[in-house]
Amino acid sequence: GAVVSQHPSRVICKSGTSVKIECRSLDFQATTMFWYRQFPKKSLMLMATSNEGSKATYEQGVEKDKFLINHASLTLSTLTVTSAHPEDSSFYICSASLAGYYEQYFGPGTRLTVT
Amino acid sequence: EDQVTQSPEALRLQEGESSSLNCSYTVSGLRGLFWYRQDPGKGPEFLFTLYSAGEEKEKERLKATLTKKESFLHITAPKPEDSATYLCAVQARNTGFQKLVFGTGTRLLVSP
Repeated sequence: GAVVSQHPSRVICKSGTSVKIECRSLDFQATTMFWYRQFPKKSLMLMATSNEGSKATYEQGVEKDKFLINHASLTLSTLTVTSAHPEDSSFYICSASLAGYYEQYFGPGTRLTVT
Repeated sequence: EDQVTQSPEALRLQEGESSSLNCSYTVSGLRGLFWYRQDPGKGPEFLFTLYSAGEEKEKERLKATLTKKESFLHITAPKPEDSATYLCAVQARNTGFQKLVFGTGTRLLVSP
């Protein structure tokens, strides 16, 4: 149980274009979903927290206009990287938690490369 | 500010050689401490949650313990398939959205 999927697993896009990453909880309803970014050999950096039907809460230093997050349903959250630049290249991971529980269950991650 | 420090940064063991990973933390009221395993190019896999000092949890060759200042992940007779990065994270009681603060992890390599 508690399976989270992400799509796509890898994406390459050109500088200036936008790319959307989907995060789905497959066997549970996720009241809260989280988006992280991870640099090579570094730990996870929380970007934003989203609750279904509400605006996302962004961490300090994360540009909300660049990283658009939508949590339209209890099983789907999307992260759109707008006007991507090479410095946005990274490993993006989402996680989800069940109502009443504190654990977060992570997706497999999306490797974004901006050329 | 909540903080998590993991040591060692990297650990190389021979198969069967038991050892422990350390996670030291400072948090304004601990709600829970979490251990995850992360394989290269994958998302973290949930292992354990510990809530209070003195608590222990076990899963196969892994055992996690918790004190008021640190947690240990004991690995007994490890196998090569235990090679991974082990991440520790804390959640403060005053966080409204179950926010986790992660350490930088311990990269474990178990040689046959």
